[in-house]
Amino acid sequence: GDSVTQMEGPVTLSEEAFLTINCTYTATGYPSLFWYVQYPGEGLQLLLKATKADDKGSNKGFEATYRKETTSFHLEKGSVQVSDSAVYFCAGGNYGQNFVFGPGTRLSVLP
Amino acid sequence: SAVISQKPSRDICQRGTSLTIQCQVDSQVTMMFWYRQQPGQSLTLIATANQGSEATYESGFVIDKFPISRPNLTFSTLTVSNMSPEDSSIYLCSVGTDFLYEQYFGPGTRLTVT
Repeated sequence: GDSVTQMEGPVTLSEEAFLTINCTYTATGYPSLFWYVQYPGEGLQLLLKATKADDKGSNKGFEATYRKETTSFHLEKGSVQVSDSAVYFCAGGNYGQNFVFGPGTRLSVLP
Repeated sequence: SAVISQKPSRDICQRGTSLTIQCQVDSQVTMMFWYRQQPGQSLTLIATANQGSEATYESGFVIDKFPISRPNLTFSTLTVSNMSPEDSSIYLCSVGTDFLYEQYFGPGTRLTVT
């Protein structure tokens, strides 16, 4: 079945450091890909998405590009802030099928 | 995007009892889903709540343990029956859009079973 491989955490960075969280999706087709963020004590929020190859999703300084050849969707941010501390989930799915979520990566940003 | 609310936000329940969680959406949606997130874990889909018909359950989840109702296009309930400490989790409701294929999540219900 479909699966999501995501960089294991926890990841600890200093403020203003560069962030990369790797994600690859294994599927029979070319699914839409998503990044969700879960702040402490809250539900999941859609951070960004891409629906086809070479699409770039971006939001709040975060970016991810859908690489078709590797079905990867790595999350990046040039300068993280303390407020970015959260758990980040990569997810994917084809229309009409259920989403598959990665295990989540916990990010802690220190001042 | 849709605005989703869940009730209760948290509860502490005794073993052997049942809890019903409500999910309300501010607009009509076709797809509604229920997930479980065990402590420190990722999300696991319990079932898809279908309006006007029985829910579709994922492997490992059964209707007797997790009965679901979906009386209309804006509301659903999930009941956790005959609870045990292993049911202690966050239960999340989500909704899906037809053409954008995105999912939006409610704030979750934090359940502790003692």
